[in-house]
Amino acid sequence: NAGVTQTPKFRILKIGQSMTLQCTQDMNHNYMYWYRQDPGMGLKLIYYSVGAGITDKGEVPNGYNVSRSTTEDFPLRLELAAPSQTSVYFCASSYLGQGALRYSNEQFFGPGTRLTVL
Amino acid sequence: DAKTTQPPSMDCAEGRAANLPCNHSTISGNEYVYWYRQIHSQGPQYIIHGLKNNETNEMASLIITEDRKSSTLILPHATLRDTAVYYCIVRVANTGNQFYFGTGTSLTVIP
Repeated sequence: NAGVTQTPKFRILKIGQSMTLQCTQDMNHNYMYWYRQDPGMGLKLIYYSVGAGITDKGEVPNGYNVSRSTTEDFPLRLELAAPSQTSVYFCASSYLGQGALRYSNEQFFGPGTRLTVL
Repeated sequence: DAKTTQPPSMDCAEGRAANLPCNHSTISGNEYVYWYRQIHSQGPQYIIHGLKNNETNEMASLIITEDRKSSTLILPHATLRDTAVYYCIVRVANTGNQFYFGTGTSLTVIP
């Protein structure tokens, strides 16, 4: 299994541009998450999804959009990029439901996308 | 979810046990204690979790006090590769929404 993969690894955007950060998992996990991490800070949740077709806002959703058309993919869309969105973006997935191992709630993280908005 | 308090940084000699403390005095009865770590800006990695009993796995041990208001993550024989930021998180199990990552403890293992 490749686990959670993210593309691109690095990106520089100009103010006002748009882009989509891709996230794919091959573990058949039902839950997927997008976090951002600013320098020296912990992770903050942007959006999450409990399954295909269902998404919900996290702590810092403004300026972002998501969709979940398949179990595997959970893209994050930035519209009208701003310098405040300069950050490292992590995608994660987990499995919750019947058969989940002893309530582990283990989230598997991708390698991250480093985004700079100038 | 209950808040946690961790020291911002710690050092540990290579080969010695690293003991990372976490205070969670407002933890409620159905909240678990989770530990994750983040090595050099990679994605966080799950280490261990527990409710009230001490837990051990191939990576670490978790000691939770009887009143559950604090816990300690123990890395029994720290190596240079254990240098990372360690996050202590408390949350209700099996709910699927976010983990609240604070700023964690930056552990440096010294040769």
